Amino acid sequence: QQQVKQSPQSLIVQKGGISIINCAYENTAFDYFPWYQQFPGKGPALLIAIRPDVSEKKEGRFTISFNKSAKQFSLHIMDSQPGDSATYFCAASRSGNEKLTFGTGTRLTIIP
Amino acid sequence: GAVVSQHPSRVICKSGTSVKIECRSLDFQATTMFWYRQFPKQSLMLMATSNEGSKATYEQGVEKDKFLINHASLTLSTLTVTSAHPEDSSFYICSARDPRGGPRKFFGPGTRLTVL
Repeated sequence: QQQVKQSPQSLIVQKGGISIINCAYENTAFDYFPWYQQFPGKGPALLIAIRPDVSEKKEGRFTISFNKSAKQFSLHIMDSQPGDSATYFCAASRSGNEKLTFGTGTRLTIIP
Repeated sequence: GAVVSQHPSRVICKSGTSVKIECRSLDFQATTMFWYRQFPKQSLMLMATSNEGSKATYEQGVEKDKFLINHASLTLSTLTVTSAHPEDSSFYICSARDPRGGPRKFFGPGTRLTVL
């Protein structure tokens, strides 16, 4: 059972544009929602994370929007750059259980 | 920030042999480490949770006798793929949480295993 659904599977955005990736979860016990960036042949690296007590968190060009009632959260990458081309994974976990449940991933390509 | 290392970064072995992959937390102690497997263009799938000083906890469908995990110290966990077969070829990644830094988990750089 896929507990975290991610879309789209792939995304092409022009340089300078906004990249938006969406995730939806089922388990209402989840209380930690990180986004990871992964380059080919490398391990994932944490980009930004949010807790459900806030609706938005911004760090530089990266913003997480969180909708608790809809059980959805999204990553927005502003002023997208070619160096942002990577695979992005959303994830979720709950307090007391350190396991991360990952989304299926989004392959982002930024074109000049 | 906290760093997790893995060794080797890539390994090629013959079918039937065993391969050991090491995961180290370099500047923090981790009572728990996690092992993931990632097939090409797919997401990370949790294989097992490695607990220092006790038995690992395996996810459903993961053969514990095939994927041996040892967490002998607070900074080292090892995954041994026994009697490896071509279908075990994958990208293996470990992660750990720095207990000083909340829920954030750090991932190792991964180990590419190719079984011929």
